[in-house]
Amino acid sequence: GAVVSQHPSWVICKSGTSVKIECRSLDFQATTMFWYRQFPKQSLMLMATSNEGSKATYEQGVEKDKFLINHASLTLSTLTVTSAHPEDSSFYICSARVRADNQPQHFGDGTRLSIL
Amino acid sequence: GIQVEQSPPDLILQEGANSTLRCNFSDSVNNLQWFHQNPWGQLINLFYIPSGTKQNGRLSATTVATERYSLLYISSSQTTDSGVYFCAVGFGTASKLTFGTGTRLQVTL
Repeated sequence: GAVVSQHPSWVICKSGTSVKIECRSLDFQATTMFWYRQFPKQSLMLMATSNEGSKATYEQGVEKDKFLINHASLTLSTLTVTSAHPEDSSFYICSARVRADNQPQHFGDGTRLSIL
Repeated sequence: GIQVEQSPPDLILQEGANSTLRCNFSDSVNNLQWFHQNPWGQLINLFYIPSGTKQNGRLSATTVATERYSLLYISSSQTTDSGVYFCAVGFGTASKLTFGTGTRLQVTL
């Protein structure tokens, strides 16, 4: 149980394109989902916390107008990288928690984004 | 914010050897998870262990929350154990995770 599906797994696109990444909890409801970014040979850094039915909370230094997050249902959150540039190339990974205290986060398989 | 340091940063083992990875954190936590990130980037959830000891096959983990550290033990290592091991900690109802610096493990034949 507790499966998180992330799509697409790999994206290559031209500079200036907007890219949408989906994160779905397949067998549980997630009021909260999280989006992380990982640059090569570095650790994962939290970008934002996505709450169902409300605005996302962004970490310091993350541009909310560049990284649009929508959490429209209890099983789906989306991250849109708007007008992507080569410096946005990274590995993006989402996670979700079940609706209970003291529960682990479950992670998707990640999306490798390359902007040419 | 909370600081999470892992040691050692890099580790090379021969197949069959045992190892201990350490995670130190700077503040109280009520969520601690260990992950193995494989070469394809997938995060494999190893343990959810905010306190106490757990075992799963060749792996076990211990968290001493009062002393702000956790240990991951790998016994009889295999080449498939290669990759990066992360601990991640969180606190409070928001439960967002702060990831450690990682330990890069290479198991050789």
